[in-house]
Amino acid sequence: QKEVEQNSGPLSVPEGAIASLNCTYSDRGSQSFFWYRQYSGKSPELIMSIYSNGDKEDGRFTAQLNKASQYVSLLIRDSQPSDSATYLCAVSGNAGNMLTFGGGTRLMVKP
Amino acid sequence: EAGVTQFPSHSVIEKGQTVTLRCDPISGHDNLYWYRRVMGKEIKFLLHFVKESKQDESGMPNNRFLAERTGGTYSTLKVQPAELEDSGVYFCAIRTVYYGYTFGSGTRLTVV
Repeated sequence: QKEVEQNSGPLSVPEGAIASLNCTYSDRGSQSFFWYRQYSGKSPELIMSIYSNGDKEDGRFTAQLNKASQYVSLLIRDSQPSDSATYLCAVSGNAGNMLTFGGGTRLMVKP
Repeated sequence: EAGVTQFPSHSVIEKGQTVTLRCDPISGHDNLYWYRRVMGKEIKFLLHFVKESKQDESGMPNNRFLAERTGGTYSTLKVQPAELEDSGVYFCAIRTVYYGYTFGSGTRLTVV
């Protein structure tokens, strides 16, 4: 079993729709959770970080964390074609530890 | 905003040769990490420096890989001798208070 699991996709949504990306993790000691966006050939770019149960909103993005279910998600509202990328879920044990990444979900937003 | 510069951006070498990748973080960052993504796999941790010391090198695949961080500033990752399975994209990252983990643009290594 992988430590961080994501559906590889592609997840295809129409422009303006809500894209929902999901991630599960196996280490119950994980404390920090991150969503990165990676365009093809580029480096991962931090979108959201979340550290406690519940929702965290930043603009069109909402991260949701449920530690009991070992589940973290990312919602993208009003999806734009420019949101088309691979979204990487990453977790770490604490702020100083290394990140463990999922394989990423490819999102395609169609005009 | 924090920045990380990596070079070269691409490197193509023959099996058995040596390659050195370099990471230059903006100054003042104690925590520096190396990661690697090989084709079709997830990004995986290689090692973590705190200043010039190796805090965690549990992800280094074997003794053909040698990482150093001179004076707690820039870092190098040497692969000697390179094998075909070393091909992939090597990322360097720093950790900042406000921006979390910031990644460099990566070095794409191809071993032929």
